[in-house]
Amino acid sequence: DADVTQTPRNRITKTGKRIMLECSQTKGHDRMYWYRQDPGLGLRLIYYSFDVKDINKGEISDGYSVSRQAQAKFSLSLESAIPNQTALYFCATSDNRDRGNQHFGDGTRLSIL
Amino acid sequence: GESVGLHLPTLSVQEGDNSIINCAYSNSASDYFIWYKQESGKGPQFIIDIRSNMDKRQGQRVTVLLNKTVKHLSLQIAATQPGDSAVYFCAERGGSYIPTFGRGTSLIVHP
Repeated sequence: DADVTQTPRNRITKTGKRIMLECSQTKGHDRMYWYRQDPGLGLRLIYYSFDVKDINKGEISDGYSVSRQAQAKFSLSLESAIPNQTALYFCATSDNRDRGNQHFGDGTRLSIL
Repeated sequence: GESVGLHLPTLSVQEGDNSIINCAYSNSASDYFIWYKQESGKGPQFIIDIRSNMDKRQGQRVTVLLNKTVKHLSLQIAATQPGDSAVYFCAERGGSYIPTFGRGTSLIVHP
């Protein structure tokens, strides 16, 4: 979905480095999410934010932090990357309706050596 | 620890056949269900949804069936086309408004 843009699309880095993945959206949605996808597994929620002043931990938040800089921007940081954080990372947005479906970016493929 | 390298369930069909992708969900309190399609190199895209007060919903070439008794969801794709080849995820959602995703099924359509 071109309305949800993730940067970078690919990143290779070394163990111990700090990494930031960025997500911006033009959909005007209040809710934003970060997911991780590993081969053969479904999407697992890392963090989510229902508005600019709201940050919530998801299922697998350890080793990650987030920042909601504006309604349109939600960044994910790995403070000290480790190899088992190698994965595909997706940002998603949704509106506030009861049936607010999620709209996903095209992902960031992160490899930690 | 986490599992890595699990193989996805795979469904192989011939072009023109109907496809049925199944999903078992876990939470009997879930009231809203969604099917997503994920093509290679892309993020998941919404296909169709259904509320728990319904047992069937139809879209264009797709039908979702919900059986709450056995906590089962299925996605039927009519006249499957090569462009339907993708990984399909079901997701369930309860009162938290945060969906929980299944592992996915890989659909391969042979011309």
